[in-house]
Amino acid sequence: NAGVTQTPKFRILKIGQSMTLQCAQDMNHNYMYWYRQDPGMGLKLIYYSVGAGITDKGEVPNGYNVSRSTTEDFPLRLELAAPSQTSVYFCASSTGVPSYNEQFFGPGTRLTVL
Amino acid sequence: DQQVKQNSPSLSVQEGRISILNCDYTNSMFDYFLWYKKYPAEGPTFLISISSIKDKNEDGRFTVFLNKSAKHLSLHIVPSQPGDSAVYFCAANFGNEKLTFGTGTRLTIIP
Repeated sequence: NAGVTQTPKFRILKIGQSMTLQCAQDMNHNYMYWYRQDPGMGLKLIYYSVGAGITDKGEVPNGYNVSRSTTEDFPLRLELAAPSQTSVYFCASSTGVPSYNEQFFGPGTRLTVL
Repeated sequence: DQQVKQNSPSLSVQEGRISILNCDYTNSMFDYFLWYKKYPAEGPTFLISISSIKDKNEDGRFTVFLNKSAKHLSLHIVPSQPGDSAVYFCAANFGNEKLTFGTGTRLTIIP
């Protein structure tokens, strides 16, 4: 199993540009998540999904959109990039079984907005 | 409002000694606490968890202690090894789908 994969690994955007960060998992997990990590900060939840067709906002959703058309894929869309969105973005997935709910993370996408 | 706090941004420990990483939380309703380990340019990986009904959980060199009255948990690594050098995140949840993360502690093991 590849686990959770993310593309691209790095990206530089100009202010106002848009892009989609791709995330895929092959573990048949129902739950998927997008986090951002800023320097010296913990992971902040942007959006999450409990299954195909169902998404919900996390702690910092402004400026982002998501969709979940399949169990495997959970893309994150930035419509009008701003310098405040410079961060490292992590996608994660889990079974969602009530308990400690171990989440499996992808390697991250480092995004710089100039 | 930071519900999960790691007040030490960094920690250096001699190889072979004990590493103790600390985490405080404010919400007494958390059901589970987890520790994640993160190497540079990689995603976090799960290390160990503890339920709020327990006060200790052990897995090899890693032990997590939970003090509910103090709203405090700690991760002990014994003995510390060079490969343990990483950033460690404490996280908590209510037994549901979302985790709340701390800001992380960078552990450096000195050979």
